[in-house]
Amino acid sequence: NAGVTQTPKFQVLKTGQSMTLQCAQDMNHEYMSWYRQDPGMGLRLIHYSVGAGITDQGEVPNGYNVSRSTTEDFPLRLLSAAPSQTSVYFCASVTLVAGRNEQFFGPGTRLTVL
Amino acid sequence: TQLLEQSPQFLSIQEGENLTVYCNSSSVFSSLQWYRQEPGEGPVLLVTVVTGGEVKKLKRLTFQFGDARKDSSLHITAAQPGDTGLYLCAGTYSGAGSYQLTFGKGTKLSVIP
Repeated sequence: NAGVTQTPKFQVLKTGQSMTLQCAQDMNHEYMSWYRQDPGMGLRLIHYSVGAGITDQGEVPNGYNVSRSTTEDFPLRLLSAAPSQTSVYFCASVTLVAGRNEQFFGPGTRLTVL
Repeated sequence: TQLLEQSPQFLSIQEGENLTVYCNSSSVFSSLQWYRQEPGEGPVLLVTVVTGGEVKKLKRLTFQFGDARKDSSLHITAAQPGDTGLYLCAGTYSGAGSYQLTFGKGTKLSVIP
């Protein structure tokens, strides 16, 4: 039982390049989310999904796309990378138990855009 | 946008000391969580509180939810170097969707041996 896995661990891109951050969970959770973490800004929600085929925008969605074709996978795509997207990205798998929204985070992807 | 304020932002203490960190909002939470994040890792859930006035203990950590469900505190007794990390509170606001979780900016704790 691996929990939440993310790849790659580190990535360096040039401005304008595109890439996909991978996220997978084996806990059979319906809800998954993507956050970015920047110094002094805390964790900010980018996109989330409440089940296969259903996604929605969070607080900072611009420049990112997501899709959810299976319960297990929730990739995040950067369409045209910008230096402002330099950040640490966390994927989370979420369980709702008696109204408690509990997040299980992956180890993160550290992205630098030059 | 709901705001969730954490204080202090940074805390450096000697091993064996006690400390308290705070999480405050002007709005009512339906539930509130505390996470700990170590360098290079993702946040790990420590506790969830849902009832006003609720107190939960996890070894040397004591979590309290305010009676009005607008604030919470984390108290660590006899801090150890292994307690070093970033402590994040996160809340689901009453009236918001159950999936909407707002994070504070965190308290960075350093425990010096």
